[in-house]
Amino acid sequence: NAGVTQTPKFQVLKTGQSMTLQCAQDMNHNSMYWYRQDPGMGLRLIYYSASEGTTDKGEVPNGYNVSRLNKREFSLRLESAAPSQTSVYFCASRVDRLFTDTQYFGPGTRLTVL
Amino acid sequence: DQQVKQNSPSLSVQEGRISILNCDYTNSMFDYFLWYKKYPAEGPTFLISISSIKDKNEDGRFTVFLNKSAKHLSLHIVPSQPGDSAVYFCAAIFTGGGNKLTFGTGTQLKVEL
Repeated sequence: NAGVTQTPKFQVLKTGQSMTLQCAQDMNHNSMYWYRQDPGMGLRLIYYSASEGTTDKGEVPNGYNVSRLNKREFSLRLESAAPSQTSVYFCASRVDRLFTDTQYFGPGTRLTVL
Repeated sequence: DQQVKQNSPSLSVQEGRISILNCDYTNSMFDYFLWYKKYPAEGPTFLISISSIKDKNEDGRFTVFLNKSAKHLSLHIVPSQPGDSAVYFCAAIFTGGGNKLTFGTGTQLKVEL
């Protein structure tokens, strides 16, 4: 049981390049999330998916797209990377039970855009 | 517009003493609150939570207090241990609004020997 896994761990891009961050969970969770963490800003929600086949925008969706490929996988795509997207990206999944909102996080992807 | 605020970016405490981490929120719709702990190069891990119908929740050395009228919550760690040194994030959620967490900016706790 690996929990939430993310690939790659590190990535350096040039401005304008594209890439996809991968996330997978093996806990059979319906809900999955993508966050970015920046110094002094906490974690901010980019996109989330309440179930397979659905996605919704979070607080900072501009410049990103997502795909909920199946129940296990939720990918984040940067079509044309910008230096402002330099950040640490975390994927999370959440068990769907009443009265619990615990999210389980992956180890993160550290992205630098030059 | 920061709806969840942690005004202390850092806190230093001696081993064995109490650590108190504070969090304020502005959105009165929030009805569930969580604390996450984060070590460097790792993802946040869930620590403890509290529903808005309670004012206290305890789990071992960790206790969270909620003061709804003041829109304030705090995390108490007693006794503090060196392994508690980490960044602590407060998070809030409106359970009727899509289950999206809103995080504070974090407090770096350092527990010194």
